[in-house]
Amino acid sequence: AQKVTQAQTEISVVEKEDVTLDCVYETRDTTYYLFWYKQPPSGELVFLIRRNSFDEQNEISGRYSWNFQKSTSSFNFTITASQVVDSAVYFCALSDPFSGSRLTFGEGTQLTVNP
Amino acid sequence: DTAVSQTPKYLVTQMGNDKSIKCEQNLGHDTMYWYKQDSKKFLKIMFSYNNKELIINETVPNRFSPKSPDKAHLNLHINSLELGDSAVYFCASSHREETQYFGPGTRLLVL
Repeated sequence: AQKVTQAQTEISVVEKEDVTLDCVYETRDTTYYLFWYKQPPSGELVFLIRRNSFDEQNEISGRYSWNFQKSTSSFNFTITASQVVDSAVYFCALSDPFSGSRLTFGEGTQLTVNP
Repeated sequence: DTAVSQTPKYLVTQMGNDKSIKCEQNLGHDTMYWYKQDSKKFLKIMFSYNNKELIINETVPNRFSPKSPDKAHLNLHINSLELGDSAVYFCASSHREETQYFGPGTRLLVL
């Protein structure tokens, strides 16, 4: 069975601080995909990144960066120089093409960035 | 230009009523999903359709019945609503196992 754990329920930082959101996953499959989604206070789910299990390259997009390490089954997300607009719930998720591509979500991390 | 849309956005109803939520996507995707987000923000898959065929049917009460009239639409009908059905319901779509894009959500409150 697949499982995603986001151990940090809530994180509070001050603007301009860097913050890392942790994600640990479990799966028996060798082919799988990892995702991060953002849910701002307005409630929609916004796609941030998708990674396949064969690509361990880290990725950077502006202030966002992701660190994928298969050896520790982790897919962590770092926001550099955080801003108030980054305040949201962030979800890590896992899917595999053999189970109908369902997304298995972590519990989410509520990030609050204070001015 | 909305990619995945849902109607209604808010739904307030009495226990025992029957209601439907509609979902449409204009992305040309072949797979559509329904997820439920509970009061603790936990998201869980309910159903998935690929080319109008049911692929995933999680352990969901049979009061919930999805219907896919075509590849671009996936509706959710709920019979005999209960208090515990109060949640946010998200529709999503994807091309096969690629990225799922979500609708804005339907906030259902059962009184």
